[in-house]
Amino acid sequence: DIVMTQGALPNPVPSGESASITCQSSKSLLHSNGKTYLNWYLQRPGQSPQLLIYWMSTRASGVSDRFSGSGSGTDFTLKISSVEAEDVGVYYCQQFLEYPLTFGSGTKLEIK
Amino acid sequence: EVKLLESGGGLVQPGGSLRLSCAASGFTFTDFYMSWIRQPPGKAPEWLGVIRNKANGYTTEYNPSVKGRFTISRDNTQNILYLQMNTLRAEDTAIYYCAEQLRFAYWGQGTLVTVSS
Repeated sequence: DIVMTQGALPNPVPSGESASITCQSSKSLLHSNGKTYLNWYLQRPGQSPQLLIYWMSTRASGVSDRFSGSGSGTDFTLKISSVEAEDVGVYYCQQFLEYPLTFGSGTKLEIK
Repeated sequence: EVKLLESGGGLVQPGGSLRLSCAASGFTFTDFYMSWIRQPPGKAPEWLGVIRNKANGYTTEYNPSVKGRFTISRDNTQNILYLQMNTLRAEDTAIYYCAEQLRFAYWGQGTLVTVSS
């Protein structure tokens, strides 16, 4: 199985500051078609996960442009510029290159 | 509007069985791969498996962690996705979600399964 490893945040993050969440995969997620098979989600307290980013860097419909995804084949970053109270929750990365699909362990964001 | 609504969760004894349902609306159900994902309390989500769309013969893939105990099926006349769970264990306690597997842009609200005596 592909193992997804997420980094921690230096919580709490001051409101208005930027935050970067890292994710590393045990295998390259870059497909021969040129796309990188990585998703990012936010799970707010008591809610289902919400898709933020797919194909490593494409924002999902309705997602604020304060969220951006970047990376290489195995190292990825989700950047949140100017964090707001509504950004609080747990962020997960997920690979969908091969079965079984796997998630990272999550990165919690708290706001000061 | 796309809607996914899970049902069928509850308390079940170890070794028991349960069938979850996911009612889908707002999209052409037969066009989409559909998956089940679970999330134990306080832990990360775990993908359980997928059933492909009509064009791909409604074939299935499973996470080895549940293969042989869990079965995914679909009723394409009523737009319902199912998860049959057998020989349940305490570690199967989780919120169970259904989701479309094109983008994982749409998830249900989840249904809680508790395995305990």
